[in-house]
Amino acid sequence: DVVLTQTPPTLSATIGQSVSISCRSSQSLLDSDGDTYLNWLLQRPGQSPQLLIYSVSNLESGVPNRFSGSGSETDFTLKISGVEAEDLGVYYCMQATHAPYTFGAGTKLELK
Amino acid sequence: VQLVESGGGLVQPGKSLKLSCSASGFTFSSYGMHWIRQAPGKGLDWVAYISSSSGTVYADAVKGRFTISRDNAKNTLYLQLNSLKSEDTAIYYCAGDYFDYWGQGVMVTVSS
Repeated sequence: DVVLTQTPPTLSATIGQSVSISCRSSQSLLDSDGDTYLNWLLQRPGQSPQLLIYSVSNLESGVPNRFSGSGSETDFTLKISGVEAEDLGVYYCMQATHAPYTFGAGTKLELK
Repeated sequence: VQLVESGGGLVQPGKSLKLSCSASGFTFSSYGMHWIRQAPGKGLDWVAYISSSSGTVYADAVKGRFTISRDNAKNTLYLQLNSLKSEDTAIYYCAGDYFDYWGQGVMVTVSS
């Protein structure tokens, strides 16, 4: 199975600060169809997860453009350019290239 | 789009339970669907997928014990949970094909 390693496990930020989360895969997530199925999700406290970024860098509809994703093959990054209070929660990367699909362990974003 | 899970509860080890996910707001029959679970205080764990043509894929931890199915006439996704173990205790979420829509989750507790 594909193992996704997220760092850091916890991130403390002030409002307005820019932060990045890393997600490294144990194998390439480039699919035979040319797409890379690496997604980023946010789970706010007490809520269901919500999709932020799909296929590495595509912003889901309705998601603010302070969120951006980048990377390729095995190394991926989520960047938040100017953290807002509503961004607090746990961020997960997940891959849907290789079944069984897998999630990273999560990165908890807290206010400093 | 709305996904509403039901059927959770407290069940003894070794027993069975059937979860339902009622879908509305989109053409259910045209899309694959996932079940994902989250143990208390833990991260997300992908469980199973069913395609629009009813092909299925399972996580190793549930293969042979859980069965995903769908009834397109009722716009409903199901997860049959058999031979339940304490480690199956979790919130179970249904989600859309691209992880773009999630239900609110339903709690399953396996305990004697």
